[in-house]
Amino acid sequence: GNSVTQMEGPVTLSEEAFLTINCTYTATGYPSLFWYVQYPGEGLQLLLKATKADDKGSNKGFEATYRKETTSFHLEKGSVQVSDSAVYFCALSVRSGGGADGLTFGKGTHLIIQP
Amino acid sequence: EPEVTQTPSHQVTQMGQEVILRCVPISNHLYFYWYRQILGQKVEFLVSFYNNEISEKSEIFDDQFSVERPDGSNFTLKIRSTKLEDSAMYFCASTGTAGEETQYFGPGTRLLVL
Repeated sequence: GNSVTQMEGPVTLSEEAFLTINCTYTATGYPSLFWYVQYPGEGLQLLLKATKADDKGSNKGFEATYRKETTSFHLEKGSVQVSDSAVYFCALSVRSGGGADGLTFGKGTHLIIQP
Repeated sequence: EPEVTQTPSHQVTQMGQEVILRCVPISNHLYFYWYRQILGQKVEFLVSFYNNEISEKSEIFDDQFSVERPDGSNFTLKIRSTKLEDSAMYFCASTGTAGEETQYFGPGTRLLVL
């Protein structure tokens, strides 16, 4: 079956630090990969995505590269801000042909940025 | 910007009671989903819905659960007889087409079963 493993949190960093949140996956077929972010009291928002190997997704200074050889999709940001404090979820979907494919999520990583 | 909305934001119910969670997907979207997140655990897929029928469902989505699109705008999740372990955050999501992989999520309904 499909699964996503991401690093346990909370991850606490100082403002302007470099961020990496690791994500690895197992999937049958060729998945699309996603990072979603959940700010306090809000729903899940798509942060970035990549649909095939070696694609790089990027948004708001965050990046992640689809690495098929290591089955990974690590999230990085060069300089984090206090406003980046949130829970980050790595997820995948595998096309089944039916169209309405459910996402498989990791457990989420709580990121805390201190001023 | 269009968004998915969910009501209520919080619901408390007694074990054995029926609950209906409501979602209004983005207006031109065709595919609808329910997920749940038990406190401290991962977000889990429950069911997807297209063209007025279930497209895919997980093992969690047993006979206690049902989904419906009663009109052109609402998408509901019904739990017939709630159990303590149904306490969770329930998220609705929608997407526009079969080729569109980005799912747009609502803010969630926090359900507490006592």
